Amino acid sequence: EPEVTQTPSHQVTQMGQEVILRCVPISNHLYFYWYRQILGQKVEFLVSFYNNEISEKSEIFDDQFSVERPDGSNFTLKIRSTKLEDSAMYFCASSGTSGPNEQFFGPGTRLTVL
Amino acid sequence: QKEVEQDPGPLSVPEGAIVSLNCTYSNSAFQYFMWYRQYSRKGPELLMYTYSSGNKEDGRFTAQVDKSSKYISLFIRDSQPSDSATYLCAMSAGNNRKLIWGLGTSLAVNP
Repeated sequence: EPEVTQTPSHQVTQMGQEVILRCVPISNHLYFYWYRQILGQKVEFLVSFYNNEISEKSEIFDDQFSVERPDGSNFTLKIRSTKLEDSAMYFCASSGTSGPNEQFFGPGTRLTVL
Repeated sequence: QKEVEQDPGPLSVPEGAIVSLNCTYSNSAFQYFMWYRQYSRKGPELLMYTYSSGNKEDGRFTAQVDKSSKYISLFIRDSQPSDSATYLCAMSAGNNRKLIWGLGTSLAVNP
């Protein structure tokens, strides 16, 4: 069964450093998303991406964040200068046209900012 | 008022029990309603997906949506220890739109 994959599973970084989180969405999906979940809190939407551009973003997704689809398979989230409060689980999701709102999630990347 | 409210539990039931999980919401624009299951430190796994009001059944799981009351439910019949997880409701206002989430209900099914 096709699945969303994410790398790395755990990333530790120093405050102020740049990180790139990588995702490979399900191959025939066209819509891509990033969410985050701070420990003990709700899952929060960050950004959605379709047709090589951002279709929606939340207030959390400020100038420190960017997304890219560098090739036909990868989808990345970059945080330019990490803050302590960026520590969270980051989930990538994708959805297709047959069930356009059924979003399938990857296993997540645990980001720890020291 | 929070957009989506969900009692975090924990909920503990014996094996074989019927489990009822629910969420309330305030935004009448929500049309798509999902239930996800999340095991500890894993990604959410889509269980049920419902559009608008009504019921949907899949094996031991039944999802219900009552838009007039802004209330959704997930029922699990013949619960198993492997059902022990956190169950999250999520909803959106349109196709491929952001999901708004509940906090999740922690469920333990005891053998």
